[in-house]
Amino acid sequence: DAGVTQSPTHLIKTRGQQVTLRCSPKSGHDTVSWYQQALGQGPQFIFQYYEEEERQRGNFPDRFSGHQFPNYSSELNVNALLLGDSALYLCASSLGGSMNTEAFFGQGTRLTVV
Amino acid sequence: DQQVKQNSPSLSVQEGRISILNCDYTNSMFDYFLWYKKYPAEGPTFLISISSIKDKNEDGRFTVFLNKSAKHLSLHIVPSQPGDSAVYFCAASAVNNNDMRFGAGTRLTVKP
Repeated sequence: DAGVTQSPTHLIKTRGQQVTLRCSPKSGHDTVSWYQQALGQGPQFIFQYYEEEERQRGNFPDRFSGHQFPNYSSELNVNALLLGDSALYLCASSLGGSMNTEAFFGQGTRLTVV
Repeated sequence: DQQVKQNSPSLSVQEGRISILNCDYTNSMFDYFLWYKKYPAEGPTFLISISSIKDKNEDGRFTVFLNKSAKHLSLHIVPSQPGDSAVYFCAASAVNNNDMRFGAGTRLTVKP
């Protein structure tokens, strides 16, 4: 049973560029949430997708956008990259559009903006 | 805004002894609390949770205690094992709110 998989594992981008990160949820899960984890901090909620719609959004600018596909996989897009966007991006999957259940995390994508 | 705080960035414990990790929160709307464990180069792994209707939840060597009046929860690991060495995150959420808030984490080292 495959867990949550994220790609790529590492990425280096230049300031001002755009990036797309991908996530496949755990088998049977239909909800995907994205988190940003800066060095030395806990994960911060970016947004959640359920039934192909953004259900809830954290305190992140519109440069951060996402998409969920019919197979429940998801993408996180970040436009006009800033140095401060350098972080570990985590994807978590769960069931039924709720985070009040056990969520499974992927290993993350380490994004470095230079 | 730091609604969930883990004030101890690190903790070192001898194998076989008890590890106690603490977490404080400020938002009284939080009603579900979770602990995650994270090894290097891996994503966080769910460990144990507790809802606000309980004050204790136990799973093997892991017990979480919730003190709602103090807005404080703690994770007890007894007995601690070297394999428990990891970063532990406390997280909290409110009903009908999927914005789960995490603390900054506590790095636990269990020495043989």
